[in-house]
Amino acid sequence: DIQMTQSPSSLSASVGDRVTITCRASQGIANYLAWYQQKPGKVPKLLISAASTLQSGVPSRFSGSGSGTDFTLTISSLQPEDVATYYCQKYDSASSLTFGGGTKVEIK
Amino acid sequence: EVQLLESGGGLVQPGGSLRLSCAASGFTFSSYAMSWVRQAPGKGLEWVSSISGSGGGIYYADSVKGRFTLSRDNSKNTLYLQMNSLRAEDTAVYYCAKQARYCSGGSCNYFYGMDVWGQGTTVTVSS
Repeated sequence: DIQMTQSPSSLSASVGDRVTITCRASQGIANYLAWYQQKPGKVPKLLISAASTLQSGVPSRFSGSGSGTDFTLTISSLQPEDVATYYCQKYDSASSLTFGGGTKVEIK
Repeated sequence: EVQLLESGGGLVQPGGSLRLSCAASGFTFSSYAMSWVRQAPGKGLEWVSSISGSGGGIYYADSVKGRFTLSRDNSKNTLYLQMNSLRAEDTAVYYCAKQARYCSGGSCNYFYGMDVWGQGTTVTVSS
Protein backbone atom coordinates (compact mmCIF):
# COMPACT_ATOMS: atom_id res chain seq x y z
CA ASP A 1 0.00 0.00 0.00
CA ILE A 2 1.08 3.56 -0.70
CA GLN A 3 1.89 5.51 2.44
CA MET A 4 1.39 9.27 2.82
CA THR A 5 3.88 11.10 5.04
CA GLN A 6 3.39 14.71 6.08
CA SER A 7 6.00 17.04 7.52
CA PRO A 8 6.31 18.72 9.82
CA SER A 9 3.81 17.19 12.23
CA SER A 10 3.37 20.62 13.79
CA LEU A 11 4.59 24.15 13.29
CA SER A 12 4.28 27.53 14.91
CA ALA A 13 4.51 30.68 12.81
CA SER A 14 3.71 34.36 13.09
CA VAL A 15 0.79 36.12 11.48
CA GLY A 16 1.84 37.09 7.97
CA ASP A 17 4.45 34.36 7.65
CA ARG A 18 4.63 32.05 4.64
CA VAL A 19 3.91 28.49 5.73
CA THR A 20 4.73 25.36 3.75
CA ILE A 21 3.54 21.84 4.53
CA THR A 22 4.92 18.83 2.69
CA CYS A 23 3.23 15.56 1.80
CA ARG A 24 5.18 12.67 0.34
CA ALA A 25 3.74 9.53 -1.23
CA SER A 26 5.74 6.30 -1.05
CA GLN A 27 4.92 5.71 -4.74
CA GLY A 28 3.84 8.02 -7.53
CA ILE A 29 0.22 9.12 -7.50
CA ALA A 30 0.31 11.62 -10.39
CA ASN A 31 -1.73 14.61 -9.16
CA TYR A 32 -4.40 12.59 -7.35
CA LEU A 33 -3.99 14.50 -4.11
CA ALA A 34 -6.35 16.51 -1.94
CA TRP A 35 -5.72 18.82 1.01
CA TYR A 36 -8.10 19.32 3.92
CA GLN A 37 -8.29 21.80 6.78
CA GLN A 38 -9.73 20.79 10.14
CA LYS A 39 -10.17 23.58 12.64
CA PRO A 40 -10.32 22.65 16.34
CA GLY A 41 -13.60 20.93 17.12
CA LYS A 42 -14.83 21.21 13.55
CA VAL A 43 -15.44 18.96 10.57
CA PRO A 44 -12.73 18.64 7.90
CA LYS A 45 -13.04 20.93 4.89
CA LEU A 46 -11.76 20.22 1.40
CA LEU A 47 -9.32 22.95 0.35
CA ILE A 48 -7.61 21.62 -2.77
CA SER A 49 -8.13 18.80 -5.26
CA ALA A 50 -5.87 17.56 -8.03
CA ALA A 51 -2.88 18.79 -6.07
CA SER A 52 -3.40 22.42 -7.03
CA THR A 53 -7.08 23.18 -7.78
CA LEU A 54 -8.50 25.45 -5.12
CA GLN A 55 -12.07 24.72 -4.06
CA SER A 56 -14.61 27.49 -4.46
CA GLY A 57 -14.54 29.95 -1.57
CA VAL A 58 -11.07 29.00 -0.32
CA PRO A 59 -8.91 32.09 0.19
CA SER A 60 -6.26 32.65 -2.47
CA ARG A 61 -3.50 32.67 0.14
CA PHE A 62 -3.77 28.87 0.02
CA SER A 63 -2.05 27.08 -2.84
CA GLY A 64 -0.98 23.57 -3.67
CA SER A 65 1.67 22.15 -5.93
CA GLY A 66 3.43 18.95 -6.82
CA SER A 67 3.02 15.77 -8.79
CA GLY A 68 4.22 12.21 -8.52
CA THR A 69 5.47 11.71 -4.97
CA ASP A 70 6.09 15.19 -3.55
CA PHE A 71 3.44 17.77 -2.80
CA THR A 72 3.21 21.03 -0.89
CA LEU A 73 0.47 23.13 0.64
CA THR A 74 1.45 26.77 1.05
CA ILE A 75 -0.22 29.51 3.01
CA SER A 76 1.27 32.70 1.62
CA SER A 77 0.40 34.90 4.58
CA LEU A 78 -0.72 33.08 7.72
CA GLN A 79 -3.87 34.44 9.35
CA PRO A 80 -5.27 33.71 12.82
CA GLU A 81 -8.23 31.88 11.28
CA ASP A 82 -5.81 29.43 9.62
CA VAL A 83 -5.06 27.73 12.95
CA ALA A 84 -5.99 24.14 12.14
CA THR A 85 -4.66 20.71 11.35
CA TYR A 86 -4.05 20.10 7.66
CA TYR A 87 -4.25 16.69 6.02
CA CYS A 88 -3.27 15.43 2.62
CA GLN A 89 -5.11 12.50 1.04
CA LYS A 90 -4.38 10.45 -2.04
CA TYR A 91 -7.18 9.32 -4.32
CA ASP A 92 -5.38 7.57 -7.17
CA SER A 93 -7.20 4.38 -6.26
CA ALA A 94 -10.71 4.16 -4.83
CA SER A 95 -9.63 1.11 -2.85
CA SER A 96 -7.12 3.10 -0.82
CA LEU A 97 -8.00 6.73 -0.01
CA THR A 98 -5.18 7.14 2.51
CA PHE A 99 -4.70 10.29 4.57
CA GLY A 100 -1.42 11.71 5.75
CA GLY A 101 -0.81 11.98 9.47
CA GLY A 102 -1.65 15.67 9.64
CA THR A 103 0.19 18.94 10.30
CA LYS A 104 -0.95 21.13 13.17
CA VAL A 105 -0.50 24.84 12.47
CA GLU A 106 -0.41 27.28 15.36
CA ILE A 107 0.23 31.00 15.74
CA LYS A 108 3.45 32.02 17.46
CA GLU B 1 -28.34 23.01 0.70
CA VAL B 2 -26.23 19.88 0.55
CA GLN B 3 -26.38 18.06 3.88
CA LEU B 4 -25.27 14.80 5.43
CA LEU B 5 -26.66 13.65 8.76
CA GLU B 6 -25.14 10.67 10.52
CA SER B 7 -26.84 8.61 13.21
CA GLY B 8 -26.49 5.30 14.98
CA GLY B 9 -23.41 5.85 17.09
CA GLY B 10 -23.23 4.89 20.73
CA LEU B 11 -21.56 2.78 23.37
CA VAL B 12 -21.08 -0.90 22.55
CA GLN B 13 -19.13 -3.73 24.17
CA PRO B 14 -16.14 -5.32 22.45
CA GLY B 15 -17.38 -7.90 19.98
CA GLY B 16 -20.68 -6.10 19.55
CA SER B 17 -22.31 -4.53 16.53
CA LEU B 18 -23.65 -1.16 15.44
CA ARG B 19 -25.19 0.17 12.24
CA LEU B 20 -24.44 3.74 11.26
CA SER B 21 -26.68 5.65 8.88
CA CYS B 22 -26.03 8.77 6.84
CA ALA B 23 -29.05 10.61 5.43
CA ALA B 24 -28.22 12.78 2.43
CA SER B 25 -30.13 15.74 1.03
CA GLY B 26 -29.66 18.57 -1.43
CA PHE B 27 -28.00 16.59 -4.22
CA THR B 28 -28.65 13.64 -6.53
CA PHE B 29 -27.46 10.97 -4.12
CA SER B 30 -27.19 8.14 -6.64
CA SER B 31 -24.80 10.16 -8.80
CA TYR B 32 -22.06 10.36 -6.22
CA ALA B 33 -19.71 8.00 -4.49
CA MET B 34 -19.75 8.16 -0.72
CA SER B 35 -17.26 7.38 2.01
CA TRP B 36 -16.86 6.93 5.74
CA VAL B 37 -13.87 8.44 7.52
CA ARG B 38 -13.15 8.06 11.23
CA GLN B 39 -11.12 9.98 13.75
CA ALA B 40 -10.05 8.40 17.02
CA PRO B 41 -9.83 10.74 20.02
CA GLY B 42 -6.89 13.10 19.55
CA LYS B 43 -5.79 11.35 16.36
CA GLY B 44 -5.81 11.99 12.64
CA LEU B 45 -8.25 11.10 9.91
CA GLU B 46 -8.53 7.48 8.77
CA TRP B 47 -10.39 6.43 5.64
CA VAL B 48 -12.72 3.51 6.44
CA SER B 49 -14.76 2.60 3.37
CA SER B 50 -16.18 3.93 0.10
CA ILE B 51 -18.96 2.99 -2.29
CA SER B 52 -19.70 4.01 -5.85
CA GLY B 53 -22.91 5.80 -6.75
CA SER B 54 -24.58 2.63 -8.03
CA GLY B 55 -23.30 0.54 -5.12
CA GLY B 56 -21.44 -1.72 -7.54
CA GLY B 57 -17.99 -0.82 -6.23
CA ILE B 58 -17.27 -1.09 -2.52
CA TYR B 59 -13.88 -0.62 -0.89
CA TYR B 60 -12.57 -1.09 2.63
CA ALA B 61 -9.50 -0.22 4.65
CA ASP B 62 -7.57 -3.28 5.76
CA SER B 63 -8.32 -2.38 9.39
CA VAL B 64 -12.06 -3.03 8.92
CA LYS B 65 -12.17 -5.52 6.05
CA GLY B 66 -14.25 -8.56 6.96
CA ARG B 67 -15.90 -6.80 9.92
CA PHE B 68 -17.61 -3.76 8.38
CA THR B 69 -20.11 -3.75 5.51
CA LEU B 70 -20.94 -0.65 3.52
CA SER B 71 -24.18 -0.30 1.59
CA ARG B 72 -26.50 2.37 0.25
CA ASP B 73 -30.19 2.71 -0.53
CA ASN B 74 -30.49 5.24 -3.33
CA SER B 75 -34.30 5.24 -3.04
CA LYS B 76 -33.92 6.53 0.52
CA ASN B 77 -30.83 8.71 -0.07
CA THR B 78 -29.15 6.88 2.77
CA LEU B 79 -25.72 5.33 3.33
CA TYR B 80 -25.19 2.57 5.87
CA LEU B 81 -22.18 1.15 7.67
CA GLN B 82 -22.75 -2.16 9.44
CA MET B 83 -20.01 -2.66 12.01
CA ASN B 84 -19.53 -6.11 13.53
CA SER B 85 -16.92 -7.61 15.85
CA LEU B 86 -16.14 -4.18 17.19
CA ARG B 87 -12.86 -3.56 18.95
CA ALA B 88 -11.61 -0.86 21.31
CA GLU B 89 -9.54 0.55 18.48
CA ASP B 90 -12.71 1.23 16.49
CA THR B 91 -13.59 3.95 19.01
CA ALA B 92 -13.82 7.18 17.00
CA VAL B 93 -16.01 9.84 15.53
CA TYR B 94 -17.32 8.47 12.23
CA TYR B 95 -17.89 10.96 9.44
CA CYS B 96 -19.93 10.39 6.33
CA ALA B 97 -18.55 12.23 3.30
CA LYS B 98 -19.69 12.89 -0.26
CA GLN B 99 -17.06 12.30 -2.89
CA ALA B 100 -16.58 15.07 -5.42
CA ARG B 101 -16.43 14.04 -9.05
CA TYR B 102 -14.57 15.56 -11.97
CA CYS B 103 -15.39 14.87 -15.59
CA SER B 104 -13.25 15.84 -18.55
CA GLY B 105 -12.92 14.58 -22.08
CA GLY B 106 -15.65 12.00 -21.69
CA SER B 107 -14.24 10.33 -18.57
CA CYS B 108 -14.94 10.97 -14.93
CA ASN B 109 -13.06 10.61 -11.67
CA TYR B 110 -15.66 9.82 -9.02
CA PHE B 111 -13.27 10.07 -6.07
CA TYR B 112 -12.01 13.62 -6.49
CA GLY B 113 -11.74 14.50 -2.82
CA MET B 114 -14.45 14.61 -0.13
CA ASP B 115 -16.30 17.88 -0.59
CA VAL B 116 -19.16 17.56 1.88
CA TRP B 117 -18.91 16.11 5.39
CA GLY B 118 -21.48 15.30 8.03
CA GLN B 119 -21.09 16.37 11.63
CA GLY B 120 -20.08 12.88 12.69
CA THR B 121 -21.41 10.26 15.05
CA THR B 122 -19.43 8.92 17.98
CA VAL B 123 -18.77 5.22 18.43
CA THR B 124 -17.32 4.05 21.72
CA VAL B 125 -16.27 0.43 22.15
CA SER B 126 -15.74 -0.37 25.78
CA SER B 127 -16.76 -2.85 28.44
